[in-house]
Amino acid sequence: DVKVTQSSRYLVKRTGEKVFLECVQDMDHENMFWYRQDPGLGLRLIYFSYDVKMKEKGDIPEGYSVSREKKERFSLILESASTNQTSMYLCASRTVTDTQYFGPGTRLTVL
Amino acid sequence: GENVEQHPSTLSVQEGDSAVIKCTYSDSASNYFPWYKQELGKRPQLIIDIRSNVGEKKDQRIAVTLNKTAKHFSLHITETQPEDSAVYFCAASAGGSYIPTFGRGTSLIVHP
Repeated sequence: DVKVTQSSRYLVKRTGEKVFLECVQDMDHENMFWYRQDPGLGLRLIYFSYDVKMKEKGDIPEGYSVSREKKERFSLILESASTNQTSMYLCASRTVTDTQYFGPGTRLTVL
Repeated sequence: GENVEQHPSTLSVQEGDSAVIKCTYSDSASNYFPWYKQELGKRPQLIIDIRSNVGEKKDQRIAVTLNKTAKHFSLHITETQPEDSAVYFCAASAGGSYIPTFGRGTSLIVHP
């Protein structure tokens, strides 16, 4: 059974703080994703990693960076959190047959 | 790049009715079309998918149809139940290492 976990379900940070969101998958998937989910806007891709140390910008990478040092872990970093980054963040990993498995999400509030 | 449009954004039906959600895509190279269901407060989960070499796929009360010529695909749910209430997302990708593009989602409400 595929398991994708995220480090926090809820997070409250202050403007200007550096924020780390972590995602871990246990199925040896090469591809991992970070999405942001906002009402009415669906799932917007922030960054995609197709292998260790490999990354590709998605549709909305501004204000974010990522790190993939190990295959199972994909981290999303908000260098200096701003209020417009308040959102639900979803991580996903993908099988070789294209199915994506999502984590439970982290609801981030930036005050 | 790929563009996926999903309609309607909200769909309200009575229990037992059928529900249809439609998506269009722009990139003719797309060949994999999944549908995800996201219940309130939970993660999106794959409910059905279709590849471009077939026109229809069914799984109990759920079916997906694909029209490659018109570049659209649809999710059909028959005999809807209150537990079908959720947000449904369609997506399209060219498979492999290609990045999937998601529609904006449809909020389905099934009234008992």
